[in-house]
Amino acid sequence: DAKTTQPPSMDCAEGRAANLPCNHSTISGNEYVYWYRQIHSQGPQYIIHGLKNNETNEMASLIITEDRKSSTLILPHATLRDTAVYYCIVRVYGGATNKLIFGTGTLLAVQP
Amino acid sequence: DGGITQSPKYLFRKEGQNVTLSCEQNLNHDAMYWYRQDPGQGLRLIYYSQIVNDFQKGDIAEGYSVSREKKESFPLTVTSAQKNPTAFYLCASSTALQSNEQFFGPGTRLTVL
Repeated sequence: DAKTTQPPSMDCAEGRAANLPCNHSTISGNEYVYWYRQIHSQGPQYIIHGLKNNETNEMASLIITEDRKSSTLILPHATLRDTAVYYCIVRVYGGATNKLIFGTGTLLAVQP
Repeated sequence: DGGITQSPKYLFRKEGQNVTLSCEQNLNHDAMYWYRQDPGQGLRLIYYSQIVNDFQKGDIAEGYSVSREKKESFPLTVTSAQKNPTAFYLCASSTALQSNEQFFGPGTRLTVL
């Protein structure tokens, strides 16, 4: 079962920042938070990941709360091409397993 | 260009027939994965392979089989034992099982009539 909770959908105006929340209240101390996105009928695309510190790359920023029970993915200047389903994923790793548990994600609709 | 190839993009089969979905990668990745996605749902792990000649069941392996005879290839067979085979199938790979990022192919949409 997925260990994250996300709103089913969000809207954002083009050019504005998109802030996508994720709740992962049962996360363990050594589990990472990953974000992927999936444009309609394509394979998911990796965005960013983090453990406890805030992270930033060329695509987005990831803000993780101090208690690690929730996080926010920030797309600083959303464009129409950012319209996609965004998945917040907790990585389970143990032994020979590298499992990404995908929930239902948040459909972000960027409006012109 | 390096990447993951899945073919065909759309596949139709009659009920009761086995069908094999191809997945090829030229990224020199050791680990490969198969996921299934149903409409409006997230991805579920079917099988994964850490290295050539080795593979493990994921969460929903029943009715599926795989092989990993070559590093670049990880075909998935959907057998007649799979009760609801119609779905979107995604193949992924990563440098190693412990890698932070999985790279996904474009997917194959299988419809069983």
